Amino acid sequence: ILNVEQSPQSLHVQEGDSTNFTCSFPSSNFYALHWYRWETAKSPEALFVMTLNGDEKKKGRISATLNTKEGYSYLYIKGSQPEDSATYLCAFDVNRDDKIIFGKGTRLHILP
Amino acid sequence: DSGVTQTPKHLITATGQRVTLRCSPRSGDLSVYWYQQSLDQGLQFLIQYYNGEERAKGNILERFSAQQFPDLHSELNLSSLELGDSALYFCASSVASQGRETQYFGPGTRLLVL
Repeated sequence: ILNVEQSPQSLHVQEGDSTNFTCSFPSSNFYALHWYRWETAKSPEALFVMTLNGDEKKKGRISATLNTKEGYSYLYIKGSQPEDSATYLCAFDVNRDDKIIFGKGTRLHILP
Repeated sequence: DSGVTQTPKHLITATGQRVTLRCSPRSGDLSVYWYQQSLDQGLQFLIQYYNGEERAKGNILERFSAQQFPDLHSELNLSSLELGDSALYFCASSVASQGRETQYFGPGTRLLVL
């Protein structure tokens, strides 16, 4: 059974501090990894699609790295702001059968 | 606003009934994906359609079916509903069929089965 793990499950960060969290996925049959930001009462919003080992992507204060050989991706948030409070989901795209497997997310709370 | 629309927003029905959820993708997107978000589970991929054809299948029950029409809108049919089918159902769309494109999520349909 293919599994995607995200850690930590929940995180409290002081406003202004930087933080990071992890998505672990099977290193075989890798096709793509997606990161989403999901605010309460809204729908998931795409942040990054990562496809190549060593990929680094950046959008404002948020960036992500990818290691397909060891099966992990990190999401970094620099200088956290209250609007960063959300659940961050990663999703693993399986090469052999085009299935998409989501992690359970990291719930980020930014403390004022 | 992602450009993906879903109707209805909320649906309340009884066990044993059948419902249809509708999704219109963003203009120009050919792929539609359906997902289920239950209370204790993460987002579960159900099925993907590309340009009218089924492209990939996830954890979709046999009681559920979907289709994509020539105008590219998609419907998810849920039949013989059970209490456990109560969930938030999302659709998402992307430009092409490969999993490497950005997916844009609709606002979801919240289904409650009583």
